[in-house]
Amino acid sequence: EDQVTQSPEALRLQEGESSSLNCSYTVSGLRGLFWYRQDPGKGPEFLFTLYSAGEEKEKERLKATLTKKESFLHITAPKPEDSATYLCARKAGTALIFGKGTTLSVSS
Amino acid sequence: DTAVSQTPKYLVTQMGNDKSIKCEQNLGHDTMYWYKQDSKKFLKIMFSYNNKELIINETVPNRFSPKSPDKAHLNLHINSLELGDSAVYFCASSQGPATNQPQHFGDGTRLSIL
Repeated sequence: EDQVTQSPEALRLQEGESSSLNCSYTVSGLRGLFWYRQDPGKGPEFLFTLYSAGEEKEKERLKATLTKKESFLHITAPKPEDSATYLCARKAGTALIFGKGTTLSVSS
Repeated sequence: DTAVSQTPKYLVTQMGNDKSIKCEQNLGHDTMYWYKQDSKKFLKIMFSYNNKELIINETVPNRFSPKSPDKAHLNLHINSLELGDSAVYFCASSQGPATNQPQHFGDGTRLSIL
């Protein structure tokens, strides 16, 4: 059962072209929404944790926001090095329930 | 200085064999996990251990047996390997099971069954 849905599956951007990735979840009483970045051949690398609606966190060109039903990862003026798969996950008990990810490609 | 390290990085073997994957973390965390990432890149929890005790055992065939000799190590032994076991297996750790501290992942073990 996929309780975390990410869209789009793939996104191609030109360098400098800002966009957003979406992560929607169906559970009530969210206990934490996590964003990770995964490069080919590597493990997921932690980016952000969000806990409550209205919360925002930023890191360089990335900004994560959270509402009651979804989270967005905004990428401002992306560079080719931002190319990766971005995964979101919600806390479920001890484990993380992951979405299937959005693969971002940024070309110069 | 790798925080979560897994060995081997690649494992190619034949159907029916038994193999093990090792994981070690130097973060001082209490909780460790095994996840499986299939060919469609979907990452799914398999097991979780807290202070050497099993706390999550998802619907995984009993051919998979995790073992935690101490809280810094969590190994995964797989008996009678099947074609469907081909995947990337990730080890992760976090400060504790009930916290919302992030999980830190190793770089995975790519298992290929011939």
